[in-house]
Amino acid sequence: GESVGLHLPTLSVQEGDNSIINCAYSNSASDYFIWYKQESGKGPQFIIDIRSNMDKRQGQRVTVLLNKTVKHLSLQIAATQPGDSAVYFCADLSGGYNKLIFGAGTRLAVHP
Amino acid sequence: EADIYQTPRYLVIGTGKKITLECSQTMGHDKMYWYQQDPGMELHLIHYSYGVNSTEKGDLSSESTVSRIRTEHFPLTLESARPSHTSQYLCASSEDMGSSSGANVLTFGAGSRLTVL
Repeated sequence: GESVGLHLPTLSVQEGDNSIINCAYSNSASDYFIWYKQESGKGPQFIIDIRSNMDKRQGQRVTVLLNKTVKHLSLQIAATQPGDSAVYFCADLSGGYNKLIFGAGTRLAVHP
Repeated sequence: EADIYQTPRYLVIGTGKKITLECSQTMGHDKMYWYQQDPGMELHLIHYSYGVNSTEKGDLSSESTVSRIRTEHFPLTLESARPSHTSQYLCASSEDMGSSSGANVLTFGAGSRLTVL
């Protein structure tokens, strides 16, 4: 079936460095993507989203890039901070109307 | 601050017990969802509802059942819990997703972590 998946299970970075978390999707008809952050013991929180008619969208310290040709999106976090340590999920609406499908998640570990 | 609440946060019970996980939201959202998540793994949709008296099964088969008698309330029930039901259960709600950027995405509760001995 259609799926959204992540390349790397764990990413370790130094505090202050930039982080890049990657995500591959398989449904070429997917037109809306979301990144969520899940801290330990909490539910996922919305970070940023992007529509398929865009290839880049920026938020506060975060940027999402979408490459529809290779069905890949990435989340870039600038000047990574200890508070950014969490599991990051990409998700899309490939499950159908109002049904978000999540990838496996990447754990981001920020070291001082 | 998310206005969606789940209780209990943690539950340890014996095999064969009936349990209900509560989920309430104060945002007036029509759409509510239950996801199941094992540690370090992705979220799997097990139930969803698009409004009162509407419930559907998600992509992951689950022995649990749900009900939607009131807009704000979407409880999940396991009639006879087994160790294989040990997991985290996340409730979420939304308006129409994707209709406007960022405004109508899923809002999650903090989750209910269930352990069945």
